[in-house]
Amino acid sequence: AQKVTQAQTEISVVEKEDVTLDCVYETRDTTYYLFWYKQPPSGELVFLIRRNSFDEQNEISGRYSWNFQKSTSSFNFTITASQVVDSAVYFCALSEATTDSWGKLQFGAGTQVVVTP
Amino acid sequence: EAGVAQSPRYKIIEKRQSVAFWCNPISGHATLYWYQQILGQGPKLLIQFQNNGVVDDSQLPKDRFSAERLKGVDSTLKIQPAKLEDSAVYLCASTSGGWGEQYFGPGTRLTVT
Repeated sequence: AQKVTQAQTEISVVEKEDVTLDCVYETRDTTYYLFWYKQPPSGELVFLIRRNSFDEQNEISGRYSWNFQKSTSSFNFTITASQVVDSAVYFCALSEATTDSWGKLQFGAGTQVVVTP
Repeated sequence: EAGVAQSPRYKIIEKRQSVAFWCNPISGHATLYWYQQILGQGPKLLIQFQNNGVVDDSQLPKDRFSAERLKGVDSTLKIQPAKLEDSAVYLCASTSGGWGEQYFGPGTRLTVT
């Protein structure tokens, strides 16, 4: 079963618009980690953020912000005032803290963000 | 600090041929992962090493795929014989351990014709 769902396949925005990427996850573990990665056209996955299941504080880093809500099993990502350089595929990933899943990342299908000038 | 290195970057082979990919993780990183990313999908874990031991290879098609990590540093992933459905990007990642962020290499894009 899909453990990480990114329902939005592609989002197109005009520069300076805000864009929110949805991520819904499924796990029975009480301890787990959530990640966001960016994959630009060059192909290399770039780490953006890691959040553990016990820390529900929202986080802001420059134009990026993340909203973690355990009650709805969601970990959404917002880019404020988007720029052309934000064009990429963004992946949400889950790592469950069980012995046989130690460190293993389970990725969603990704959301393609296209920012036009 | 040097990142994760992978080679080759691109490879085109015919079905039933064999191919090998190489990965050099970040120095000191004990945990190494190989992922397969099919076009339009998220990466899928193939195998995870802790030092030179296998932690998880449940998703590795063992009838055709093999991987090793001799001396707990570099790793090679081999496919023999290749099938058309093996066309994908093969990503190597490493981490110092646990559930820390994984650092990814640039990947090897494999095309099987």
